[in-house]
Amino acid sequence: DAKTTQPNSMESNEEEPVHLPCNHSTISGTDYIHWYRQLPSQGPEYVIHGLTSNVNNRMASLAIAEDRKSSTLILHRATLRDAAVYYCILRDDNNDMRFGAGTRLTVKP
Amino acid sequence: DAGVIQSPRHEVTEMGQEVTLRCKPISGHDYLFWYRQTMMRGLELLIYFNNNVPIDDSGMPEDRFSAKMPNASFSTLKIQPSEPRDSAVYFCASTQDRQNTEAFFGQGTRLTVV
Repeated sequence: DAKTTQPNSMESNEEEPVHLPCNHSTISGTDYIHWYRQLPSQGPEYVIHGLTSNVNNRMASLAIAEDRKSSTLILHRATLRDAAVYYCILRDDNNDMRFGAGTRLTVKP
Repeated sequence: DAGVIQSPRHEVTEMGQEVTLRCKPISGHDYLFWYRQTMMRGLELLIYFNNNVPIDDSGMPEDRFSAKMPNASFSTLKIQPSEPRDSAVYFCASTQDRQNTEAFFGQGTRLTVV
């Protein structure tokens, strides 16, 4: 069973920031938080990951709560091409990678 | 590297037939994962390997499903006999042996059992 909880769906307007939340209250100290997204008719693709500190890359930012029980993926300016299902997963020291239902992001022009 | 390569991209077969899905992971990756995706059940982890050894096959739905990894560059997922409820998209993914690395997914095999 997935160890994360995400809203089923979210909407955003084009060129506005999007904050996608994820709860992982049972996270252990060695679990990494990973985000993937799946565009229509494609396999999932990596977005970002982190352990304790906030992270930035060219695609997005990841904000991790101080107690690590939740995190937020931030898309700074959503585009129509960002419409996808976003998955937050925990990767443990066995490298187990189980996906939940994710959040379906709709971007309106 | 060409990424994770899955074949075939599409497979249509009749109920009762044997189906073999293939995956070539990225060279140097130690972990290989097989997933099944359906509208009803989402993206399910079926089995994963570390250095060609199965680590967790608890997601394999039943004995009709089997997976092998004979070497570091090849894995198969076999369904025998296939049933209509096996119709799904099957994804393979590979990653290095570290939690802080990204996993790469193949384009998937769309299986239809009629």
